[in-house]
Amino acid sequence: AQSVTQPDIHITVSEGASLELRCNYSYGATPYLFWYVQSPGQGLQLLLKYFSGDTLVQGIKGFEAEFKRSQSSFNLRKPSVHWSDAAEYFCAVGFSGGYNKLIFGAGTRLAVHP
Amino acid sequence: SAVISQKPSRDICQRGTSLTIQCQVDSQVTMMFWYRQQPGQSLTLIATANQGSEATYESGFVIDKFPISRPNLTFSTLTVSNMSPEDSSIYLCSAADRGMNTEAFFGQGTRLTVV
Repeated sequence: AQSVTQPDIHITVSEGASLELRCNYSYGATPYLFWYVQSPGQGLQLLLKYFSGDTLVQGIKGFEAEFKRSQSSFNLRKPSVHWSDAAEYFCAVGFSGGYNKLIFGAGTRLAVHP
Repeated sequence: SAVISQKPSRDICQRGTSLTIQCQVDSQVTMMFWYRQQPGQSLTLIATANQGSEATYESGFVIDKFPISRPNLTFSTLTVSNMSPEDSSIYLCSAADRGMNTEAFFGQGTRLTVV
């Protein structure tokens, strides 16, 4: 069965520090991969997506993610975190065929220390 | 991109009652989905809303509890029936177009509290 694992429930970093949020997936075919961010009381905002091609994808707000097929991973990175990045981050996998019915990971809550 | 509006944004309901949540998309879309996000949890897909036919429900969700309508390509409703406190969640509508390299867009969600 398809699944998405985000092993880190909570992460705390200092402002200006680098960030990496981990995501592993289980899916038999080539996945469509997404990272969403949810700020308190807000809906979901798409940070970036991977469908095919270059395995390093750039997103909004200075985020990037790298698809590693051999490791079934799609980790999210940011070189320098801002206090406004504090939020919940969700990794999701979509089914092939373009239907975009998504399976979400449990989420990683990011706290940023000043 | 698609803009999705959900109504109501939040509600407090008595147990045993039903609430209908509306989802309006600003453009025609092939696919619409309903998700539930229980407090402190991730999102779980409830069902795919199919235009012109019955919704397709995921395991653990049934039509009697969560009836869904999709009368056209821009609108869908989700009803939470015979509510209990366990139904207190955020319900999110999502829309996407069928085809390659498409992404799903999400509404702001409806925060439901059942007392």
